[in-house]
Amino acid sequence: EAGVAQSPRYKIIEKRQSVAFWCNPISGHATLYWYQQILGQGPKLLIQFQNNGVVDDSQLPKDRFSAERLKGVDSTLKIQPAKLEDSAVYLCASSWGGYNSPLHFGNGTRLTVT
Amino acid sequence: ILNVEQSPQSLHVQEGDSTNFTCSFPSSNFYALHWYRWETAKSPEALFVMTLNGDEKKKGRISATLNTKEGYSYLYIKGSQPEDSATYLCAREYGNKLVFGAGTILRVKS
Repeated sequence: EAGVAQSPRYKIIEKRQSVAFWCNPISGHATLYWYQQILGQGPKLLIQFQNNGVVDDSQLPKDRFSAERLKGVDSTLKIQPAKLEDSAVYLCASSWGGYNSPLHFGNGTRLTVT
Repeated sequence: ILNVEQSPQSLHVQEGDSTNFTCSFPSSNFYALHWYRWETAKSPEALFVMTLNGDEKKKGRISATLNTKEGYSYLYIKGSQPEDSATYLCAREYGNKLVFGAGTILRVKS
């Protein structure tokens, strides 16, 4: 099966600029996740979708981050305006959903905010 | 508190050495424990999903055990090879949510 596709792989922007990341999950996977991984820390869940509905966005900084999942398939994550502390790897993952389902990750986007 | 701790933070071993890491987590309301391997420039890859106390899983030279009563899991690598160099992440399921530890970075020298 084709894996989770993410783009871009790398992005460098200045603070206060905006940026968008795109994710295409594995076909048929109902659940889609966006994680933020800051150097030295574990991945932190930003938002979780079940089909095209939001299951959990409790850790999403909603004043600057937004995400949507179009028709329950592709998803975009946007940051506007970016801050220095947003420098991180942004990982998209998908799964069949339900308990005990392993996550399938994309390669991630490494964002550097200068 | 949704806290998952991993130790050590990093590990350097020689090719052929066997090694192990620890993942500690709150034991109440346990659903499942996941292990992932994340190689540089690649995507994290699922190794194991473990649910039962006393569970032991194996994949090639890598194995894992689970103790849900005391809240820990061990990951073992037998005869480490340079290609085992990666960050090893564990994550505990809380309902429909996965909480990750910070990972153990393994470097295997040839």
